[in-house]
Amino acid sequence: QIQLQQSGAELASPGASVTLSCKASGYTFTDHIMNWVKKRPGQGLEWIGRIYPVSGETNYNQKFMGKATFSVDRSSSTVYMVLNSLTSEDPAVYYCGRTTVVAPYAMDYWGQGTSVTVSS
Amino acid sequence: ENVLTQSPAIMSASPGEKVTMTCRANSSVSSSYLHWYQQKSGASPKLWIYSTSNLASGVPARFSGSGSGTSYSLTISSVEAEDAATYYCQQYSGYPLTFGAGTKLELK
Repeated sequence: QIQLQQSGAELASPGASVTLSCKASGYTFTDHIMNWVKKRPGQGLEWIGRIYPVSGETNYNQKFMGKATFSVDRSSSTVYMVLNSLTSEDPAVYYCGRTTVVAPYAMDYWGQGTSVTVSS
Repeated sequence: ENVLTQSPAIMSASPGEKVTMTCRANSSVSSSYLHWYQQKSGASPKLWIYSTSNLASGVPARFSGSGSGTSYSLTISSVEAEDAATYYCQQYSGYPLTFGAGTKLELK
């Protein structure tokens, strides 16, 4: 079955960086674009950007340019997101979500989410 | 950025009641690119309705979606307890993709 397995919770200091991962299984990894979405407590969902696993091409929400960097490892069917220079705006649950081929820009499978906490 | 405004922010319904929530965009959105998600507390979002009116796999037939241009809606014909969740609309009309702030559906 299709699964997106995300890495575990992160606790980091202000100014530090964290790397989140999303490992895909159960489908052809390079056939689907992968998105990253931010969910802060009490707030809505926010699209960070997406990466094309087949090429590594990326599209970022301008708001997150310089904050988030995506990469892909096709050998392990894993996408990564680095969040740098962590501040009080960054604590959230971060999800990866696969773009469906049926509906443009819709996300049909999601990871379980990775919680990021920023604390000194 | 195409901002999506969802209303109401919170709604309360009794089992069996018909409910409708709306999603309005600042700029026109192709109906192919307007989607809805359900998210329950502590869980990941689930694709619920795609391209305005198509139910995702496993979504009960009591759900429906409609709309065009800048105004879209999600309707539940007869609410059930399991429908309690937050529903988000999402659009693409150029980057960035955006989500609405959500409508939280509570059951009485």
